[in-house]
Amino acid sequence: AQSVTQLDSQVPVFEEAPVELRCNYSSSVSVYLFWYVQYPNQGLQLLLKYLSGSTLVKGINGFEAEFNKSQTSFHLRKPSVHISDTAEYFCAVWPAGNKLTFGGGTRVLVKP
Amino acid sequence: EAQVTQNPRYLITVTGKKLTVTCSQNMNHEYMSWYRQDPGLGLRQIYYSMNVEVTDKGDVPEGYKVSRKEKRNFPLILESPSPNQTSLYFCASSFSRGNEQFFGPGTRLTVL
Repeated sequence: AQSVTQLDSQVPVFEEAPVELRCNYSSSVSVYLFWYVQYPNQGLQLLLKYLSGSTLVKGINGFEAEFNKSQTSFHLRKPSVHISDTAEYFCAVWPAGNKLTFGGGTRVLVKP
Repeated sequence: EAQVTQNPRYLITVTGKKLTVTCSQNMNHEYMSWYRQDPGLGLRQIYYSMNVEVTDKGDVPEGYKVSRKEKRNFPLILESPSPNQTSLYFCASSFSRGNEQFFGPGTRLTVL
């Protein structure tokens, strides 16, 4: 069965510092990859997605992610975070079947 | 405005009392899905639907039912709720596999 591992459950970071959120998945076949963000008391919204092509994907709010097929990873990065980036971030994988699988989430707390 | 709506947003009920959470989308999406969100577990898929009258189990379908009689609606039914179904539930829709999922605002369910 497909699994998605987000290696850090919580990441505290100071404002204007860089952040990297790690995501590894288990599938060895072609997959679609996503990062979603959930702000407090809200639903999820898409940050970025990888379907094919360039392995470096740029998303909204200055986020980007790099797909690494050999390491089955899809890590999310932002070079300089803002207080408003405080949220929970979810990596998701959509393999050949019809089931979208989410990781356990990473809470980012941006400190002033 | 393109959106996914869920009702109710909050519900407190007692064990065994049947309930339905409605989900509706106005984007003519074919794919719809239900997830539950629990701390540390991320989002887990309950059921999904590829189109009208086509539904299938996700990873945690026990205790839930769904139906897809119309393209826009995908209700989640708990025939006999139990306390372990206390959770935050999200409905989502997309054009098809691999496309961005649009999420509803969530339904917080408490079963006493």
